[in-house]
Amino acid sequence: SQKIEQNSEALNIQEGKTATLTCNYTNYSPAYLQWYRQDPGRGPVFLLLIRENEKEKRKERLKVTFDTTLKQSLFHITASQPADSATYLCALPPDTGFQKLVFGTGTRLLVSP
Amino acid sequence: NAGVTQTPKFQVLKTGQSMTLQCAQDMNHEYMSWYRQDPGMGLRLIHYSVGAGITDQGEVPNGYNVSRSTTEDFPLRLLSAAPSQTSVYFCASRATGGEKLFFGSGTQLSVL
Repeated sequence: SQKIEQNSEALNIQEGKTATLTCNYTNYSPAYLQWYRQDPGRGPVFLLLIRENEKEKRKERLKVTFDTTLKQSLFHITASQPADSATYLCALPPDTGFQKLVFGTGTRLLVSP
Repeated sequence: NAGVTQTPKFQVLKTGQSMTLQCAQDMNHEYMSWYRQDPGMGLRLIHYSVGAGITDQGEVPNGYNVSRSTTEDFPLRLLSAAPSQTSVYFCASRATGGEKLFFGSGTQLSVL
């Protein structure tokens, strides 16, 4: 089964800097990869999806890359703000069927003023 | 649209008690699912449904039952609660052909 690794240690950065979060996976290469944001006491909220044939995807200050050779996705937040502080989860579909989305444990981002 | 609504937000049970966590969505999504989230474990899929009358097991189905009689509702039943079921439970839905999940705000369950 697919295994997803995200850095369990919190990432602390200063406001205005670029935050880079990593999602590594093993086994098969998924057809796509998703990133979600989760605030304390709330459910995850979808941010971005990147497909296996896309190297990069952007949305406002967010950028996601997908390297199927390294089996890795990087999630960047440029010009970070304290409001970006949250836990960020990556998620992949399984190798067979798309009904059982698998989530990483998430990385907590703390942006200080 | 309210999106995905979960009730209750908090619940405390004694070991052996049963209860139903409610989930409703008003987006006419065919796919609905239940996840549990535990520290260090991430979100794990319990059960899912691809439409009314159709349910299937996820990664951690033991101790939980589901049914899907309508498109809107997907309740999760704990038959005999155990301390190992202490967790935060999230319901999520997705449109047919869509890929992104819409999550509810969660139910925090404690089993003593």
